[in-house]
Amino acid sequence: KQEVTQIPAALSVPEGENLVLNCSFTDSAIYNLQWFRQDPGKGLTSLLLIQSSQREQTSGRLNASLDKSSGRSTLYIAASQPGDSATYLCAARGSQGNLIFGKGTKLSVKP
Amino acid sequence: DADVTQTPRNRITKTGKRIMLECSQTKGHDRMYWYRQDPGLGLRLIYYSFDVKDINKGEISDGYSVSRQAQAKFSLSLESAIPNQTALYFCATRASGSYNEQFFGPGTRLTVL
Repeated sequence: KQEVTQIPAALSVPEGENLVLNCSFTDSAIYNLQWFRQDPGKGLTSLLLIQSSQREQTSGRLNASLDKSSGRSTLYIAASQPGDSATYLCAARGSQGNLIFGKGTKLSVKP
Repeated sequence: DADVTQTPRNRITKTGKRIMLECSQTKGHDRMYWYRQDPGLGLRLIYYSFDVKDINKGEISDGYSVSRQAQAKFSLSLESAIPNQTALYFCATRASGSYNEQFFGPGTRLTVL
């Protein structure tokens, strides 16, 4: 059974710092992995989708990597801004096309 | 206009009441999913549907039922709501194919008193 873990559960950084969020999964036979952003009480915004054949994806200041052999993905945020404050979720695609989510990392970027 | 919509966005109900949450999509996807999110527990799968005639239970289906009225519509029902069903509910869609992205609706916040 696939399990997804995100560490740390919460992170606070000063504005301008580069930071890395971690995601690990137990079953390396994944189709893809998605990173989402969620603002308090709001829906999920898809940030990046990495296919199993890919090593990384980039969108603006965000870069996500995938290492299937070690069961890990990282989300790198460059030059963090207060507007990046949110909860970040990673999810691995299960065998039925559903997503198996980690519990998220709550990021706070201080001005 | 949003591709995946959910109604209502917020609902407060009482224990024992029947309630239906609705999801509609204009993306033309055949796969649809219902998840619930609880604080500290992440999102968990309730039910999923591959097409109108193919409905399957997810990880936490007890106390819920679903109806796929059309390819574009997937409803979640709580036959007799209980307080521990208080949560944020999300509908999602995906096109068939192994590598396609999943798209989420804005969520319905349900409170059962």
